[in-house]
Amino acid sequence: DAGVTQSPTHLIKTRGQQVTLRCSPISGHKSVSWYQQVLGQGPQFIFQYYEKEERGRGNFPDRFSARQFPNYSSELNVNALLLGDSALYLCASSPINTGELFFGEGSRLTVL
Amino acid sequence: GENVEQHPSTLSVQEGDSAVIKCTYSDSASNYFPWYKQELGKRPQLIIDIRSNVGEKKDQRIAVTLNKTAKHFSLHITETQPEDSAVYFCAASKLGGGATNKLIFGTGTLLAVQP
Repeated sequence: DAGVTQSPTHLIKTRGQQVTLRCSPISGHKSVSWYQQVLGQGPQFIFQYYEKEERGRGNFPDRFSARQFPNYSSELNVNALLLGDSALYLCASSPINTGELFFGEGSRLTVL
Repeated sequence: GENVEQHPSTLSVQEGDSAVIKCTYSDSASNYFPWYKQELGKRPQLIIDIRSNVGEKKDQRIAVTLNKTAKHFSLHITETQPEDSAVYFCAASKLGGGATNKLIFGTGTLLAVQP
């Protein structure tokens, strides 16, 4: 079975630009979460979606937004990029609204 | 606010020795405590987890202990091997009751196992 897949794997943007990151959960998983991992730190919770509804939001500015589609895939959008947005963005899925998270390999964003 | 502290930040052991990593959480409502291993450039992978109704859990060379009163939990790796070298993250979460499965991660421990 395929694991959590994310695209793109790497991307470079400049300040002020916008970025869209994509995630496909493990088949059968209805919950998708997004985390930001800055180099040398633990992942920080950004969003969780379950059954296409937002179920949680971390302490991130409104420049960050996300959505979940009917097939349970998800997109994370970040507007007006700042240098500090440079990080590994991890998507994780889980079969129900609680429990073990299965992480994808991440999208590494570099903002110049 | 919710917080998880993790110590030490780096840990170097000789192959065959034991390694212990400790975490403290702030939210007394937390009831799920997973440990993730992250190799360089790779995704975090769950290695063991424990729920608050259990004090200890073991899986081969890995064990986790939980002290709810003190809000401490620890990862124990015995007979360490070079392939155990990685960054280890503890996390805490509140499961059930309609809550999200938001994980609050610690800051990570870089474990180096010297051959």
